[in-house]
Amino acid sequence: AQKITQTQPGMFVQEKEAVTLDCTYDTSDPSYGLFWYKQPSSGEMIFLIYQGSYDQQNATEGRYSLNFQKARKSANLVISASQLGDSAMYFCAMREGRGNAGNMLTFGGGTRLMVKP
Amino acid sequence: DTGVSQDPRHKITKRGQNVTFRCDPISEHNRLYWYRQTLGQGPEFLTYFQNEAQLEKSRLLSDRFSAERPKGSFSTLEIQRTEQGDSAMYLCASSYWGTTNTGELFFGEGSRLTVL
Repeated sequence: AQKITQTQPGMFVQEKEAVTLDCTYDTSDPSYGLFWYKQPSSGEMIFLIYQGSYDQQNATEGRYSLNFQKARKSANLVISASQLGDSAMYFCAMREGRGNAGNMLTFGGGTRLMVKP
Repeated sequence: DTGVSQDPRHKITKRGQNVTFRCDPISEHNRLYWYRQTLGQGPEFLTYFQNEAQLEKSRLLSDRFSAERPKGSFSTLEIQRTEQGDSAMYLCASSYWGTTNTGELFFGEGSRLTVL
């Protein structure tokens, strides 16, 4: 079974509008972390936001917020006030185990976001 | 700039040749990771080091692949007898493993390999 599933291969959003990118995950480990990365055409993976499994509040970082629904095992990324520079691939990833003991990140297949002017 | 750097950025080689990629992590980071990313897919884990010790290897890392991190600083990833299926972006990432961190990885810009 896929550990990270991103069901939207591509998304369009109008500039200045909000957009939600979906991510569901599968783990039996009670301690895990969820990440979102942005990958522009240059190729570098840019960290956006993190949510720990024990965090009570949804994570926010500027225009990015993470809609964490633990019972549904979903961790959707919300981008508010989209900008043309937000056009990129977006990857959801999971680390199983605690941050000081866990190992690699497992990535989903990504969602290509295209912002229309 | 003190980010993760990778070299070369692009490599074109003929099938059967050997190639080597280098990664210089962020200096205070003690963990270093290699990932492979094919077109339109998410990165797939290959291997990681804590300091100079290689702690985990994916089954994707066939015996033609070898990674080293001498002295716990830079790392090299060598692919011997390249095959066309090795064509991909090879991403390096580093992180600091300590008592209070999330496990966030910092990535380089990748080394793109094309095997003809």
